[in-house]
Amino acid sequence: GENVEQHPSTLSVQEGDSAVIKCTYSDSASNYFPWYKQELGKGPQLIIDIRSNVGEKKDQRIAVTLNKTAKHFSLHITETQPEDSAVYFCAASYSGGGADGLTFGKGTHLIIQP
Amino acid sequence: DAGVTQSPTHLIKTRGQHVTLRCSPISGHKSVSWYQQVLGQGPQFIFQYYEKEERGRGNFPDRFSARQFPNYSSELNVNALLLGDSALYLCASSPYGYSGTGELFFGEGSRLTVL
Repeated sequence: GENVEQHPSTLSVQEGDSAVIKCTYSDSASNYFPWYKQELGKGPQLIIDIRSNVGEKKDQRIAVTLNKTAKHFSLHITETQPEDSAVYFCAASYSGGGADGLTFGKGTHLIIQP
Repeated sequence: DAGVTQSPTHLIKTRGQHVTLRCSPISGHKSVSWYQQVLGQGPQFIFQYYEKEERGRGNFPDRFSARQFPNYSSELNVNALLLGDSALYLCASSPYGYSGTGELFFGEGSRLTVL
């Protein structure tokens, strides 16, 4: 089955700086890579996703890059704000009818220092 | 519009007992998935149901079972509880036939503590 590794486990950045979270996956059949943000006491919420036919996707301050050859994808948050503090999870799956659901990484606790 | 609702929000059980967790999806969503999130870890896939049929099953023992009702709500049942079953159980709904296809909308979860 799929295995997703996520680094770092904790990331502390100054407000206004950029944050980068990296993930690797093991199954070359995976073609859908979402990122979820989980705030304390809440369920995960999708913030951005990318499919394997695209190398990069951007939505305002958030961007995701995908390197299929290296089986590596990353989340980039620019101009970080206090409300960006949360736990971020990367995930991978096969969107063509796979029955294995999403495989999540272990999460990155992002701390924005004022 | 109401999001995904789960009940109960918190519960405490003892080893060997049985638990039933409930989930109501977003109106119009026909798919419900269940995930287990152990403290400090990412969610782990348990089941997915679409139109009352099981579409996927994760690597969990047979003590875990689920079903989906005609109104698309769902129940997750866990028998013979173990200490290691203590976790946040998340329900997610989507309009897609497979949970790896697009956005999942998660509820706030049911936190189960097994003593």
